[in-house]
Amino acid sequence: QQQVKQSPQSLIVQKGGISIINCAYENTAFDYFPWYQQFPGKGPALLIAIRPDVSEKKEGRFTISFNKSAKQFSLHIMDSQPGDSATYFCAANSDGGATNKLIFGTGTLLAVQP
Amino acid sequence: EPEVTQTPSHQVTQMGQEVILRCVPISNHLYFYWYRQILGQKVEFLVSFYNNEISEKSEIFDDQFSVERPDGSNFTLKIRSTKLEDSAMYFCASSGQGPSEQYFGPGTRLTVT
Repeated sequence: QQQVKQSPQSLIVQKGGISIINCAYENTAFDYFPWYQQFPGKGPALLIAIRPDVSEKKEGRFTISFNKSAKQFSLHIMDSQPGDSATYFCAANSDGGATNKLIFGTGTLLAVQP
Repeated sequence: EPEVTQTPSHQVTQMGQEVILRCVPISNHLYFYWYRQILGQKVEFLVSFYNNEISEKSEIFDDQFSVERPDGSNFTLKIRSTKLEDSAMYFCASSGQGPSEQYFGPGTRLTVT
């Protein structure tokens, strides 16, 4: 119940295309859903995050879509660029709950081809 | 922009030796964390620290592990007797008013031989 399932494992997108990464969770106590971007040899960098009171959040080319009833959320990268090539992790935690750890998905390796 | 820093960037040690990984969290943050990432795998939670005590730990964080905030700026992870399976990237993270927005450091690559 603590797991966050992420797909696909890897993704190849052409420059200018839309990259879509999906995550699903079981624990209804989760109330904070961030996405992290990680370049090789670097730490995860907080990219964008959403809470269940909204269905969508957009920051620049990055959008999170959230479906509370389906317990799913996704990251959309519009106009994907070669510089977006990285590993993307979804995560979840329970900000107001007894736990404050982030539960990470398994990661998606995104390659944007020029 | 404030950031979490970690030292060393790479630590090589022999099995059975003690290692201390160091972190300087973002200065006004109150929550501190250690995570690890085995090569090619997902990031796993180890421990969280708040108000000078451990608030949560995972099953990975056994008696060989300890954390300390020795002064107002540093946050350390000690592994008392390293094992081969401790080889991983160790990330320190911190968050401000609540546990949500966690900011990660660049990591320490620990190699146990």
